Amino acid sequence: NAGVTQTPKFQVLKTGQSMTLQCAQDMNHEYMSWYRQDPGMGLRLIHYSVGAGITDQGEVPNGYNVSRSTTEDFPLRLLSAAPSQTSVYFCASSAYNEQFFGPGTRLTVL
Amino acid sequence: AQSVTQPDIHITVSEGASLELRCNYSYGATPYLFWYVQSPGQGLQLLLKYFSGDTLVQGIKGFEAEFKRSQSSFNLRKPSVHWSDAAEYFCAVGSLSTNAGKSTFGDGTTLTVKP
Repeated sequence: NAGVTQTPKFQVLKTGQSMTLQCAQDMNHEYMSWYRQDPGMGLRLIHYSVGAGITDQGEVPNGYNVSRSTTEDFPLRLLSAAPSQTSVYFCASSAYNEQFFGPGTRLTVL
Repeated sequence: AQSVTQPDIHITVSEGASLELRCNYSYGATPYLFWYVQSPGQGLQLLLKYFSGDTLVQGIKGFEAEFKRSQSSFNLRKPSVHWSDAAEYFCAVGSLSTNAGKSTFGDGTTLTVKP
């Protein structure tokens, strides 16, 4: 039981490049979320999904896309990276009353 | 809208001393309340959670928290801090209707432990 996994651990992009952050969970949770963490700002919700085929925006969705084709996977896409997207990204899955977080992806946009 | 305030950005305590980290929340309905800990370079680990019932909840690593509805607070305590407790601590609020996965987090409190 691996829990929540995220790849890659680290990534450096140039402004304008696109990429996908991968997230997978093996706990059969319906609910999955993406957060970004910036110094002194806690975690802010980017997008979330309540099940396969259903996604919705969180607090800071601009510049990010998501899709949920399976229960297990919830990738986050950056369409055209900007320096403001330099951050640590956490994926989480949740049973109704508890979230389980992945180890994070540290993204730098130059 | 729900919100969480952690008034203390940084706290320093001596090893063996007691600890209290403050958390105030704003939410109209019955809240789900959580405390997480994050060690440097790591993800978040759940320390404890409150949904209903006894307002004093026990968590892992010797932590406890008390829910006070009248004060909209959910403060985290530990009677004797260990050097390994140095980390960042986050309070979060969710709700029965939106699931824990849509929690709102405070900005965090960084704990430094002096030898």
